[in-house]
Amino acid sequence: NAGVMQNPRHLVRRRGQEARLRCSPMKGHSHVYWYRQLPEEGLKFMVYLQKENIIDESGMPKERFSAEFPKEGPSILRIQQVVRGDSAAYFCASSPIRGLAPQHFGDGTRLSIL
Amino acid sequence: KNEVEQSPQNLTAQEGEFITINCSYSVGISALHWLQQHPGGGIVSLFMLSSGKKKHGRLIATINIQEKHSSLHITASHPRDSAVYICAVIGETSGSRLTFGEGTQLTVNP
Repeated sequence: NAGVMQNPRHLVRRRGQEARLRCSPMKGHSHVYWYRQLPEEGLKFMVYLQKENIIDESGMPKERFSAEFPKEGPSILRIQQVVRGDSAAYFCASSPIRGLAPQHFGDGTRLSIL
Repeated sequence: KNEVEQSPQNLTAQEGEFITINCSYSVGISALHWLQQHPGGGIVSLFMLSSGKKKHGRLIATINIQEKHSSLHITASHPRDSAVYICAVIGETSGSRLTFGEGTQLTVNP
């Protein structure tokens, strides 16, 4: 299956711990997007990355959240010192080019904070 | 007011009915996407369009750029079409990021 792979599917953390969410884009895709879906809310853009570059992080919270997409390996969304309000589904999408191309979504990571 | 508004929020239909979901947006766009989110949570891209009409199987998507409006139609609906349908736009000045509507929960009863 060459689709967008996210892991883990479910992640449970206690308040104050760190959460690391991984996303491997489709083969041949070098553009990655992270979106967050809070409970009972719609999807919201967080960050757009290309290999080794953050292109648009206008949707990222100013503190505790960071993202990277290294030359080798998956894209990582990192949340430090998690709080209950970080509980959400985090989706990754990838596309082969910037701009007007369909984005292919992963199945998401459901993050629960105890 | 959200940049992307969908109606209805919830829709219940009987199997075989023709279904229409509407999406209105308030900004200039480069493209509009229709997505389907399954009960298990996964998201599938159905259409990306910037003008006219596209058809795939029983699904039809139309867009009117002048009126800032798009519709998703499902013909001969089936219980397996039950899902959340989400409209999302790429704004003319927003690069590649998607701005989403709140979604329409569709339930098709047998």
